[in-house]
Order: sequence, then C-alpha cells, then structure tokens
Amino acid sequence: DAGVIQSPRHEVTEMGQEVTLRCKPISGHDYLFWYRQTMMRGLELLIYFNNNVPIDDSGMPEDRFSAKMPNASFSTLKIQPSEPRDSAVYFCASSGQGGNQPQHFGDGTRLSIL
Amino acid sequence: KQEVTQIPAALSVPEGENLVLNCSFTDSAIYNLQWFRQDPGKGLTSLLLIQSSQREQTSGRLNASLDKSSGRSTLYIAASQPGDSATYLCRYNTDKLIFGTGTRLQVFP
Repeated sequence: DAGVIQSPRHEVTEMGQEVTLRCKPISGHDYLFWYRQTMMRGLELLIYFNNNVPIDDSGMPEDRFSAKMPNASFSTLKIQPSEPRDSAVYFCASSGQGGNQPQHFGDGTRLSIL
Repeated sequence: KQEVTQIPAALSVPEGENLVLNCSFTDSAIYNLQWFRQDPGKGLTSLLLIQSSQREQTSGRLNASLDKSSGRSTLYIAASQPGDSATYLCRYNTDKLIFGTGTRLQVFP
C-alpha cells in the first residue's frame, strides 16, 4: 500500500491567498483526520471524517478554515484567506474503525504564509 | 482541561541502553492510547496501540504499558540503537484526540 499521500509537500504563499491542501487516505480506511503541528502548540486535531462525513470540527481554528471529503479517496483542507499565523505543518492521517485502529500519517504539508 | 505530558522532554544516551519514556494524562476515561515516532521532516509512524482493556502491548524491542488508574503509559525501548533516534509522541483518545508534548531521543554510537 502506498500509505497516506499528501500534496503539496511544501507551500509558500503570500498572506491573503487561498491555500488548498490535499490528502489521499489509505484505501479501505473509513476515518480521515487533519492535524496541524507547530513548535508552540504541538500537534492539534483540526477535524476528522467518518465515511466522508465530518464528525468533529471543534479543532478548526476559525471560519477561514474549511475541510471537505467528497469521496472515500480524497479530502481537502482549505484556508481562505491565509494569514502568517497559519504557517505550520499540516498532517493528514487515516485509520479503519476510528480510534480503535492505529492511525497512519502522511508526510505532511509544510505551509509558510509570508 | 485534558492534558498529556511526556517526560523527559529530551534524552541523549549511548546505544545499548534500555530506555523508559513516560506519558501522563489527566482523564482516566480513555478509549486507547497510541505511541508514535516522528522523524525530522516526516509524518508520524505508529508504534503501538493499547486499548483501554489492555495493560500492555509489545512489538520487537518496544513494550508499552497502560495504567489508567494512575493516568500513565510507559514506552520501554530495549537495547537502544542509533536508528531509534526520533521524537516519540503519545496520543490519548477519549472523546478527543490529544497528543503529548513529545520526547526527543538521541541515541549515539
């Protein structure tokens, strides 16, 4: 299996621009998670989906952030408009049967907002 | 507020030593606890997952234990090797998924 695939690996853009991060989960996994990692706050869960439906988005920092999962093999995390404080590494992870199975992480997207 | 604390924050040891990494949590009503390693510039790699009904899990040189009553999990690494150098994170699962602060491990030859 190819594992969780995220794109792009790196993104540098100016504040105010729209940013779209993409994730392809492991085939057959029905849970998908988006995390953000910073030096100050560590790893934080932003949102997770079960069978393409958002279950808990309480970690999404504000309305500028949105996530979608149009089908079982693809998810996006969008920031519009982006701000410098959004700079972080964003990880996508997937698992079968939610928290009862190990989560498998992608290599992340390193986002820098200038 | 649920918190997950890892001690020590950093550890540097010669290879061959047996190591103990600690993870403490404040809420004993957990579903499971998972240990990960993270290499620089990479995502997290799952090491061990302990369900709330279990007391320990083993994989190769790794052993993880869970004591819900004391709010602690321990990751034991036997006969450490330079390839074990990474940051180790525990993740605590109740109605929230919360990661610990991490232990940065350096094993030198």
